[in-house]
Amino acid sequence: GAVVSQHPSRVICKSGTSVKIECRSLDFQATTMFWYRQFPKQSLMLMATSNEGSKATYEQGVEKDKFLINHASLTLSTLTVTSAHPEDSSFYICSAPMGKEGGELFFGEGSRLTVL
Amino acid sequence: KQEVTQIPAALSVPEGENLVLNCSFTDSAIYNLQWFRQDPGKGLTSLLLIQSSQREQTSGRLNASLDKSSGRSTLYIAASQPGDSATYLCAVGTYSGAGSYQLTFGKGTKLSVIP
Repeated sequence: GAVVSQHPSRVICKSGTSVKIECRSLDFQATTMFWYRQFPKQSLMLMATSNEGSKATYEQGVEKDKFLINHASLTLSTLTVTSAHPEDSSFYICSAPMGKEGGELFFGEGSRLTVL
Repeated sequence: KQEVTQIPAALSVPEGENLVLNCSFTDSAIYNLQWFRQDPGKGLTSLLLIQSSQREQTSGRLNASLDKSSGRSTLYIAASQPGDSATYLCAVGTYSGAGSYQLTFGKGTKLSVIP
């Protein structure tokens, strides 16, 4: 199946710093990528939809100035958590659909962010 | 607003048993439904994708069914193995009024297969 690579898999940072997470589709092009956040024992929650060549679409309650998303190319989307705080500690996962939007979704391995 | 519920939250079975995981959703106007597997601390692996026009999909020992009218899907795992131990997530794909596609996830069923 298709491969989506996410990096880094784990990151620990101090409060107030910014952290960038990369999501790459390795063997297909993705005009759209999705970013999710998962708290322990909770379901995945969609944070934003990343669109190549245009601004990301954020879900209600997600601060766009805190979670910066850039979809630089058809194979790369980045999520930057700016001025991270302990409450931002979570598991962040990206996904990309194969083919058109609404197609089968392939997920990255996820990134575990711990803010001290 | 679409809500997805998975029952049971956790399930423990002896190796070799057949088992069924349940997923229900509140809005039957779905585009597709996807089952995923998540190992601890890992991302999601797609298992099966069922389009709204389909009733079931099969892959190896896995069979997923979809009854859109009743808002239900089941994931059947035959002859379970310890390697099947993981959390299984059901996700319903819908298009919003604005035309954007969105997946809504259940909280998952944590499966433990005992050797």
